[in-house]
Parts: sequence; structure tokens; C-alpha cells
Amino acid sequence: GAGVSQSPRYKVAKRGQDVALRCDPISGHVSLFWYQQALGQGPEFLTYFQNEAQLDKSGLPSDRFFAERPEGSVSTLKIQRTQQEDSAVYLCASSSGLATQDTQYFGPGTRLTVL
Amino acid sequence: LAKTTQPISMDSYEGQEVNITCSHNNIATNDYITWYQQFPSQGPRFIIQGYKTKVTNEVASLFIPADRKSSTLSLPRVSLSDTAVYYCLVGGYNTNAGKSTFGDGTTLTVKP
Repeated sequence: GAGVSQSPRYKVAKRGQDVALRCDPISGHVSLFWYQQALGQGPEFLTYFQNEAQLDKSGLPSDRFFAERPEGSVSTLKIQRTQQEDSAVYLCASSSGLATQDTQYFGPGTRLTVL
Repeated sequence: LAKTTQPISMDSYEGQEVNITCSHNNIATNDYITWYQQFPSQGPRFIIQGYKTKVTNEVASLFIPADRKSSTLSLPRVSLSDTAVYYCLVGGYNTNAGKSTFGDGTTLTVKP
């Protein structure tokens, strides 16, 4: 079946531009996560949704970062006034349950480069 | 949050068994231990998960001692295609604000 998809796969933005990154989770998955992965490092948690509710946004690095999942399926991560330090791969993951041990299925990521 | 420590890198040869150990001294009672594999330009992929003792699946084994302060991922008879970054993940997410913490992973290089 279809896995998690993300678009675009690559995004180049000029500093100060706004960007929107899309995640299509596996159909029916209630949990959705966003991570930021810098080059050579592990994924860093950004935010978590349970259906349409954003239950944790403690990992968002600044108020320029905003995520939504209005209908409990597709999610969008928006970054306003991008800065060079925002350059990273943004990963989306979904899981079928709510328990801590539920497997997360990751998309391929969006590589954001801010010039 | 439980912090994890793994070796930065490991080298092996095709056909050998590889053991990657992860330390997680502050693991909580409800935490599970999950290992993910990541290839370049891909998202991490689930390998195996356990809570205590030993777990085995078709690709790996996971050994967890009684104190649960460490765990060892064992990959039998590695091949070149096992070259990847391996992450030990402790915890997970629940509505009580536990969240998973990936470390920087172990880069495994398998040589012919």
C-alpha cells in the first residue's frame, strides 16, 4: 500500500521567503509527527498531531514555524521568513495508534535549502 | 526524556554479525526501545522494538538486560546493503508529553 508521501522533495528558498511543506500520511493513521533533521544528525522532534489536534508543539524552534492538520489527514508545515539556519530535511511520520510503542512510518522528507 | 548514547560509527565486513549497543541510563518504566535504519535521502525505517529480554524478527535481534539501561541491536550476516545509519530510540509519544528522542545514530559501513 501507499506509504507516507511528502512534497516537494526539494525546496530552495531565499532568506525571508515563506515556505509550505506538505505531508500525506498513511490513510487512517491517527498520529502524525514532524521532525527536523540537520546534516549528519538524528531527527529532532518538532510537533505531534492526534487526528486534527496538535497535542505537542514544544519542538518548534520559533514562532516562525507553524503546523496544521485541519481534517486529520494531510498536514502542512509552514515556515515564515525563512532563515539560513532553517536549512534541513523535514521529515513527516505517521502511526496507526496512540500508544508509545506504535511504529512510526516515515516519508522521504523535504530538503529545504535557504540561500 | 531518556537520552541515548551510541557509537558514532562502526565498520564490518560482509557475512559478519554486527552488534550495536545503545546506552539509555534514564529510561522510564513505560519506555520501549525501538531501532530504526536510515539510508541516504530516505526517512528512517523501523527495524525492531522491545521492552525487555530478547526480541527477534526476520532481520535482527534486540537484547535488553534486566536493568534496561542499555540495549544491543544484533544484525546477523550483514551485507553491503546494510550500510546505513542506525538509531536507537527510547520512549515514544503519548498524551502525557513523552516524546521520542533520536540520538545522532551509528553509521555502519559494511565492506566487501
